[in-house]
Amino acid sequence: DSGVTQTPKHLITATGQRVTLRCSPRSGDLSVYWYQQSLDQGLQFLIQYYNGEERAKGNILERFSAQQFPDLHSELNLSSLELGDSALYFCASSPGKSSYNEQFFGPGTRLTVL
Amino acid sequence: AQSVSQHNHHVILSEAASLELGCNYSYGGTVNLFWYVQYPGQHLQLLLKYFSGDPLVKGIKGFEAEFIKSKFSFNLRKPSVQWSDTAEYFCAVNVYGGSQGNLIFGKGTKLSVKP
Repeated sequence: DSGVTQTPKHLITATGQRVTLRCSPRSGDLSVYWYQQSLDQGLQFLIQYYNGEERAKGNILERFSAQQFPDLHSELNLSSLELGDSALYFCASSPGKSSYNEQFFGPGTRLTVL
Repeated sequence: AQSVSQHNHHVILSEAASLELGCNYSYGGTVNLFWYVQYPGQHLQLLLKYFSGDPLVKGIKGFEAEFIKSKFSFNLRKPSVQWSDTAEYFCAVNVYGGSQGNLIFGKGTKLSVKP
């Protein structure tokens, strides 16, 4: 157990819908990262938040957005869902601002878009 | 753009066989290197990491990796695998001074160990 929690574990929805994935970082960690893992693209970095502020952006679609709340949990919002958005979404956390140190990963949320 | 290549998509070994998984990255500057493992149905866990110093790094569960700067490689090794090592292994790179400074993952190598 890494100490990072993600809910829900599984999510099944239809095309065009909107979903919210939730992540709670390890106690004391200020950075939260979101990754998408799909069969064709592998594990891709989406976005990082540090202490409530967006810190870095990766291959995140405009239909996707994230935020980090004062209690440091984070939510990833996926809208206008398409079949290709079906993937495993991981959240990770680390203590500091930089990702040069180890990131601790959550169990993931498996999203299925039908 | 920086990238990480893992040469083997799927490796099948018998128990007690030796393991070497290849990882190459494309970046000429300072890097931090990681190997993560994902057991079936579980989250990613750190096996080992290299930041600086001795290029031979020892990790958990008997794994080690060697950083060869001239070859841009960070191969993972284990002298004798067990059935419980069946998992997917990911090499990752963090580039100093990169536009994002975040982890770039390889596509992973699935290891199946036959009992």
